[in-house]
Amino acid sequence: AQSVSQHNHHVILSEAASLELGCNYSYGGTVNLFWYVQYPGQHLQLLLKYFSGDPLVKGIKGFEAEFIKSKFSFNLRKPSVQWSDTAEYFCAVKNYGGSQGNLIFGKGTKLSVKP
Amino acid sequence: DTGVSQNPRHKITKRGQNVTFRCDPISEHNRLYWYRQTLGQGPEFLTYFQNEAQLEKSRLLSDRFSAERPKGSFSTLEIQRTEQGDSAMYLCASSGTSGGPPPGTGELFFGEGSRLTVL
Repeated sequence: AQSVSQHNHHVILSEAASLELGCNYSYGGTVNLFWYVQYPGQHLQLLLKYFSGDPLVKGIKGFEAEFIKSKFSFNLRKPSVQWSDTAEYFCAVKNYGGSQGNLIFGKGTKLSVKP
Repeated sequence: DTGVSQNPRHKITKRGQNVTFRCDPISEHNRLYWYRQTLGQGPEFLTYFQNEAQLEKSRLLSDRFSAERPKGSFSTLEIQRTEQGDSAMYLCASSGTSGGPPPGTGELFFGEGSRLTVL
């Protein structure tokens, strides 16, 4: 069965530190890849997405992610985090051309940024 | 606010009771999804509609669960004879089919969720 693994459950950083959150998925076909973010007390919202083309995609608030097909990975990065980036981050995968509804989420990584 | 709206935001019920959640999607979106999220887990897909048609159901959706979208607008998720294991956040999301590569952009717009606590 298709699955998404996020290796870090909780990451604690100081402001201005660099961030990388890992995401690996298990599916050999073409995929659409997403990172969603949930700020405290708010709903899930899209951070960035990859469908095709340049494997380095840029999202909102200075986030970017790189799709490495050979590693089945879609890691999220930010060069310098801010206190306002404190949130939970979810990686998600959908089979291209597959089930329309079934977006598979990872368990999430909680990011705490110390001021 | 023109986002996805869910109510009630929090429901506490006793085991064995029935509960119903409502979701109002973004008005121009024809797809509507229900997910469930428990503590320490990511959202898990339950079911999805395109207009009024329920096109897919997860095996997580037991016989006690039923979802409807009668006029292709709002949706309801009913849980009958609730069990303590049903305690979770129930998330609704919507998406459109316009824009992006086929079969749709895949971007889901989520509501704030309805938290169910079964005592």
